[in-house]
Amino acid sequence: DSGVTQTPKHLITATGQRVTLRCSPRSGDLSVYWYQQSLDQGLQFLIQYYNGEERAKGNILERFSAQQFPDLHSELNLSSLELGDSALYFCASNPGFPPYEQYFGPGTRLTVT
Amino acid sequence: AQSVSQHNHHVILSEAASLELGCNYSYGGTVNLFWYVQYPGQHLQLLLKYFSGDPLVKGIKGFEAEFIKSKFSFNLRKPSVQWSDTAEYFCAVNAKSDNQGGKLIFGQGTELSVKP
Repeated sequence: DSGVTQTPKHLITATGQRVTLRCSPRSGDLSVYWYQQSLDQGLQFLIQYYNGEERAKGNILERFSAQQFPDLHSELNLSSLELGDSALYFCASNPGFPPYEQYFGPGTRLTVT
Repeated sequence: AQSVSQHNHHVILSEAASLELGCNYSYGGTVNLFWYVQYPGQHLQLLLKYFSGDPLVKGIKGFEAEFIKSKFSFNLRKPSVQWSDTAEYFCAVNAKSDNQGGKLIFGQGTELSVKP
């Protein structure tokens, strides 16, 4: 158990819908990262927040957004969902300074039908 | 462009065989290196990491990896695999510099199947 929690574990929804994935980092960690794991794209970095502010952005679609709240939990919002958004979404956390070793949560499996 | 390449997509071994999984990276700067393991249906777990110093690093469950700077490689090894090592293995890098926030670039993963 890494200490990073994610909810829900599974999510099944229809195309065009909007969902919110939640992540709570390890105690004391200020930085949260979101990754998408799909069969065709592999593991890809989406976005990082550090102490409430966006720090780095990767291959994140405009339909996706994220935020980090004062209690340091983070939410990833996915809207206008498409079949291709079906994937495992992982969150990871660390204290926010080098070497940035990351601890991963159990993931949320999103299925868009 | 930053990238990580894992040479083997699927490796099948018998128990007690030796394992070596290849990983090469392309990155315009100095990096930290990681190997993660993902057991079926589970999340990514850190196997081992290299930041600096001795290029031969030991991780959990008997795994080790060697960083060869001249070859931009960080191969994972285990002398004798067990059935419980069946999993997917990911090599990853991030920049040592502070300006990229530590995002990880992952390889495509290598699926290891160990036959009992």
